[in-house]
Amino acid sequence: DAGVTQSPTHLIKTRGQHVTLRCSPISGHKSVSWYQQVLGQGPQFIFQYYEKEERGRGNFPDRFSARQFPNYSSELNVNALLLGDSALYLCASSRGGGGDGYTFGSGTRLTVV
Amino acid sequence: GQSLEQPSEVTAVEGAIVQINCTYQTSGFYGLSWYQQHDGGAPTFLSYNALDGLEETGRFSSFLSRSDSYGYLLLQELQMKDSASYFCAVRPRRSNDYKLSFGAGTTVTVRA
Repeated sequence: DAGVTQSPTHLIKTRGQHVTLRCSPISGHKSVSWYQQVLGQGPQFIFQYYEKEERGRGNFPDRFSARQFPNYSSELNVNALLLGDSALYLCASSRGGGGDGYTFGSGTRLTVV
Repeated sequence: GQSLEQPSEVTAVEGAIVQINCTYQTSGFYGLSWYQQHDGGAPTFLSYNALDGLEETGRFSSFLSRSDSYGYLLLQELQMKDSASYFCAVRPRRSNDYKLSFGAGTTVTVRA
């Protein structure tokens, strides 16, 4: 079985640009969550989607948005990129909405210059 | 809100035992999870304590005491491949809030 897949693996963007990150959950998993991990810190919750509905939102500005598609894959969009948005963006999937036993993808390393 | 405290670094030799403590301040949560992460890769689920007590999974064990606001991850018979970052995390007990709140992580370095 394929795990959680994220694309792209690495990305370099310029300040002010827009970025779209993609995530495909494990087959059968209906919940996708997005986390931002800055170097040396733990992952910080951005969004959770379950059955295509937003179930939770972290303390991030409106420049961050996401959606989940009928096949349960998801996109994270970030507008007007700032240098501080440079981080590892992780996607996690689970069968339900619960928080135990998430499976994480390997992430997208975003660098804003 | 949630605040989880972990030591930043631990160093030990192969074959040793390491205990990573996690103390927390939270208004309520469903359980304490532990994740392992190698070199900024995918965090991997290790263990989950829904109830107080000890959970054992091979060389790894995890413990939770809600009355003491404290938990730990125990790594036994350390191997070089155990060198990684370890995070404790909780899921807050709030309606419609399914996020995991993570500690800052503990970097474990295993020496030969």
